[in-house]
Amino acid sequence: GAGVSQSPSNKVTEKGKDVELRCDPISGHTALYWYRQRLGQGLEFLIYFQGNSAPDKSGLPSDRFSAERTGESVSTLTIQRTQQEDSAVYLCASSLALYLRVDFGPGTRLTVL
Amino acid sequence: QQQVKQSPQSLIVQKGGISIINCAYENTAFDYFPWYQQFPGKGPALLIAIRPDVSEKKEGRFTISFNKSAKQFSLHIMDSQPGDSATYFCAASKAASKLTFGTGTRLQVTL
Repeated sequence: GAGVSQSPSNKVTEKGKDVELRCDPISGHTALYWYRQRLGQGLEFLIYFQGNSAPDKSGLPSDRFSAERTGESVSTLTIQRTQQEDSAVYLCASSLALYLRVDFGPGTRLTVL
Repeated sequence: QQQVKQSPQSLIVQKGGISIINCAYENTAFDYFPWYQQFPGKGPALLIAIRPDVSEKKEGRFTISFNKSAKQFSLHIMDSQPGDSATYFCAASKAASKLTFGTGTRLQVTL
């Protein structure tokens, strides 16, 4: 079946602009996660959704970052007033339930000039 | 605060050899320990996972060894192949709700 999909695959933007990154989880997966991966580094947790609620937003680095999920499906990560340090690959993942496998999408590579 | 420490940062192994990657965690509330494999330009893919009620789990050529008292776990790749060349991440979580990742190990398997 279809895996986690993300769009766009690549995004180049200018400093100060807003960007929206989209994630389509695997159908039926109630849990959805956003991670950030800077070049050559590990994955950094951003936010976790259970259904449409976000019980854990502790990883969002600043108030410029926000995320929402609708219909227990698609999620959008928004970064306002982008900065160069926001450049990274943003990965979305989903899982059917707790303790079950977490499947990652291919990521969106964000470059802020 | 880095809660999962991973070593080595990089590893070169000859084809047919054993690759060993180690991780140590701090949070005793962690109860789920997966390993992910990532190829360049791709998202991480779950390789194998273990819970602390067992000390070892084996799936094909991949084995996780878990030492609860030492708060350490490791990945062993037996008969390493060039196709195993990738970056490997250990992770830990409580109830799989929020994975905390190690910094990754870049594995190169040479012919």
